[in-house]
Amino acid sequence: SAVISQKPSRDICQRGTSLTIQCQVDSQVTMMFWYRQQPGQSLTLIATANQGSEATYESGFVIDKFPISRPNLTFSTLTVSNMSPEDSSIYLCSAQRGRQETQYFGPGTRLLVL
Amino acid sequence: GQQLNQSPQSMFIQEGEDVSMNCTSSSIFNTWLWYKQDPGEGPVLLIALYKAGELTSNGRLTAQFGITRKDSFLNISASIPSDVGIYFCAGPRGNAGNMLTFGGGTRLMVKP
Repeated sequence: SAVISQKPSRDICQRGTSLTIQCQVDSQVTMMFWYRQQPGQSLTLIATANQGSEATYESGFVIDKFPISRPNLTFSTLTVSNMSPEDSSIYLCSAQRGRQETQYFGPGTRLLVL
Repeated sequence: GQQLNQSPQSMFIQEGEDVSMNCTSSSIFNTWLWYKQDPGEGPVLLIALYKAGELTSNGRLTAQFGITRKDSFLNISASIPSDVGIYFCAGPRGNAGNMLTFGGGTRLMVKP
């Protein structure tokens, strides 16, 4: 299994500001992903974090709003830019060692935007 | 795109009862995954199904991959209070194999 940690675990932010969320995996993984879980909802994939290249975004998500970095095989960041109350959600990162392997999730970052 | 319809949305049952939830799709999935999310945590994989018709158990949990590859169910036998949480079905979309589509979730509440 892979142990995934996220920082911060929660935050309360003012609208118009930005927050960077960190995701650390305890071992090297091929794939890392970022998901959003809005209050009372299911998980929606934001993007695939590609090591050494630009992230691949899903429909409805753009780089200017959710810039992602992945400098190596164990670490990724997601920034939520120019926040509004609609960005209040749980943001989860996940990691997968190989194509046919289990996808593990971090504990999530609970964001409240006022 | 591919969507997963999960039912029921919520269940409130007595401890000791059996639970059944299911997931359907209009598209074929080659893998079905069942995750559980406890309050304040990320989802944890319970069971993975890779073959149509496959029936797999994990303790008191049993899941089946529908023969049409468009549905799956999860059963929990003799529920206990720690079964409380949200259960999600998920499947990898298209040929990507790794980007997951999630069902809407089934919120399970167990009365001691």
